[in-house]
Amino acid sequence: DVKVTQSSRYLVKRTGEKVFLECVQDMDHENMFWYRQDPGLGLRLIYFSYDVKMKEKGDIPEGYSVSREKKERFSLILESASTNQTSMYLCASIGLARSYEQYFGPGTRLTVT
Amino acid sequence: GDSVTQMEGPVTLSEEAFLTINCTYTATGYPSLFWYVQYPGEGLQLLLKATKADDKGSNKGFEATYRKETTSFHLEKGSVQVSDSAVYFCALSNTGFQKLVFGTGTRLLVSP
Repeated sequence: DVKVTQSSRYLVKRTGEKVFLECVQDMDHENMFWYRQDPGLGLRLIYFSYDVKMKEKGDIPEGYSVSREKKERFSLILESASTNQTSMYLCASIGLARSYEQYFGPGTRLTVT
Repeated sequence: GDSVTQMEGPVTLSEEAFLTINCTYTATGYPSLFWYVQYPGEGLQLLLKATKADDKGSNKGFEATYRKETTSFHLEKGSVQVSDSAVYFCALSNTGFQKLVFGTGTRLLVSP
């Protein structure tokens, strides 16, 4: 069974902290994505990666960075968390076999106080 | 750039009612179109897809037809159930990296 897991379901951090969100997929997928989900805005792409150590900016990369040292793991980093980064963060992956289906993790609800 | 517009919710229906959630898109070329569903407390999962004009995607009683002439991909179901209560996202993919562009989502609430 296909699986994308995220390290935490809920996270509370203080302004200025460095925050790591981890995502792991067990499907040997090449492409991985980080989105944030906000009411009324839908899902917006932060960063994506199409191979190990490769990354591309999405639509809203400011304030975020990513790391992909292994094929199965894609990390989202908030260098200095701010209150406007309070959101739901969703990770997804897809293979190159043109299945068209992105597989999503359950999400991490991050609150920055 | 590419964009997706879907009707605002919430959509509130009684069980067995007919459902339509409108979705229109703006894109260059020939995107693939998707409906994803998010049940409470879960991530998104693919509900159905269509990869070319006039294709009809269907799954679990839901259907949507890719209409290039009206740039639309409306979601329909003939008889909704309480278990269909969720948030529905229309999306398109138009790049080699299979990035998705999402609409804002429509919450569906079905009462018994």
